[in-house]
Amino acid sequence: DIQMTQSPSSLSASVGDRVTITCRASQSISNYLNWYQQKPGKAPKLLIHAESSLQSGVPSRFSGSGSGTDFTLTISSLQPEDFATYYCQQSYSTPPTFGQGTKVEIK
Amino acid sequence: QVQLVQSGSELKKPGASVKVSCKASGYTFTSYPMNWVRQAPGQGLEWMGWINTNTGNPTYAQGFTGRFVFSLDTSVSAAYLQISSLKAEDTAVYYCARDKYGSGSYGFDPWGQGTLVTVSS
Repeated sequence: DIQMTQSPSSLSASVGDRVTITCRASQSISNYLNWYQQKPGKAPKLLIHAESSLQSGVPSRFSGSGSGTDFTLTISSLQPEDFATYYCQQSYSTPPTFGQGTKVEIK
Repeated sequence: QVQLVQSGSELKKPGASVKVSCKASGYTFTSYPMNWVRQAPGQGLEWMGWINTNTGNPTYAQGFTGRFVFSLDTSVSAAYLQISSLKAEDTAVYYCARDKYGSGSYGFDPWGQGTLVTVSS
């Protein structure tokens, strides 16, 4: 199975900050990398698929980049509604695997 | 709109069984595979497997064979997860999640709201 490792596991940031979350795959996954946002008590929500394709309705302050084994989710200006846990997921091979999550908290 | 609605929370005793439903609307049910994902309390997301909604053929991830069964009722656009011989460690939120494009390669969207299954004596 492909292992997905996110860093950091958690971070504290202020509204307006630029936030970067990284995700590393244990082998090359081309650009089959997806990002999800999960708020407490809610289901995960797909933000970005195929490394950088923003889901309809997702604010443009979210962006994804990378290829191969190293990927990044960037929030250009953190908003109050962005405080949540973010997961990366590879969909290159079965089983699809998730990173352990990055919790973004208010500083 | 495309939507998945799951059945409500369940409290079960060890050894019992539970069946979680996931009812789809807003799209052609048989055109998109359905996945099941587990999230234990305070933990991350774990893919359990998927079911081909066209053929009914299930695929189970390692660790989810034997006691876990995926099934369908295409007449009502519903997928089901049945867990038998429940153990305390099965306590988790279970999500159904549709393949975004049907190929499995572009993530899961949408997700059901989740069903909390609590196993306790």
